[in-house]
Amino acid sequence: DSGVTQTPKHLITATGQRVTLRCSPRSGDLSVYWYQQSLDQGLQFLIQYYNGEERAKGNILERFSAQQFPDLHSELNLSSLELGDSALYFCASSPGGGDTGELFFGEGSRLTVL
Amino acid sequence: SQQGEEDPQALSIQEGENATMNCSYKTSINNLQWYRQNSGRGLVHLILIRSNEREKHSGRLRVTLDTSKKSSSLLITASRAADTASYFCATVSISGNTPLVFGKGTRLSVIA
Repeated sequence: DSGVTQTPKHLITATGQRVTLRCSPRSGDLSVYWYQQSLDQGLQFLIQYYNGEERAKGNILERFSAQQFPDLHSELNLSSLELGDSALYFCASSPGGGDTGELFFGEGSRLTVL
Repeated sequence: SQQGEEDPQALSIQEGENATMNCSYKTSINNLQWYRQNSGRGLVHLILIRSNEREKHSGRLRVTLDTSKKSSSLLITASRAADTASYFCATVSISGNTPLVFGKGTRLSVIA
């Protein structure tokens, strides 16, 4: 158990809809990272938050947004969903903002868009 | 684009054999890390090797790093069926201010 909690574990929705994925980092970790894993693109970095502020941005679509709340949990919002958004979405956490060490991953949220 | 590229994409071996996976990357790094992912589960950190290290061991795992060739290898000795998983390399840039960038992974199957 990594200590990172993600909900929901599975989500099935229709094209055009909006969903919110939630992540609670390990106790004491200030950074949260979101990654998308699909069969054809592998594991893609989306965005990082550190202590409530956006720290780094990767290949995140404009239809996607994220935030980190004062209690350090984070939410990833996916809107106007398309079939190609079907993927596993992982949250990871680390203690600091410029960590070069390991990331601790949650079990992921599997999104299926029909 | 992906920083690390693992090779081979898939590997099937018998229990007790050694498994070797390779990773190549493109830019200068602070460190390189290997992660394991059981099917549909989260990634688990295995080992981290810094840019000034050439070899590192952890249990049955041996990792090498050749910064001149921008490559790393992960060796799992005396493999077990429970080692069946996908293995990913990930790099931290030399500036250290960008998150981990992962390759597409090697899918290892260990047959009992």
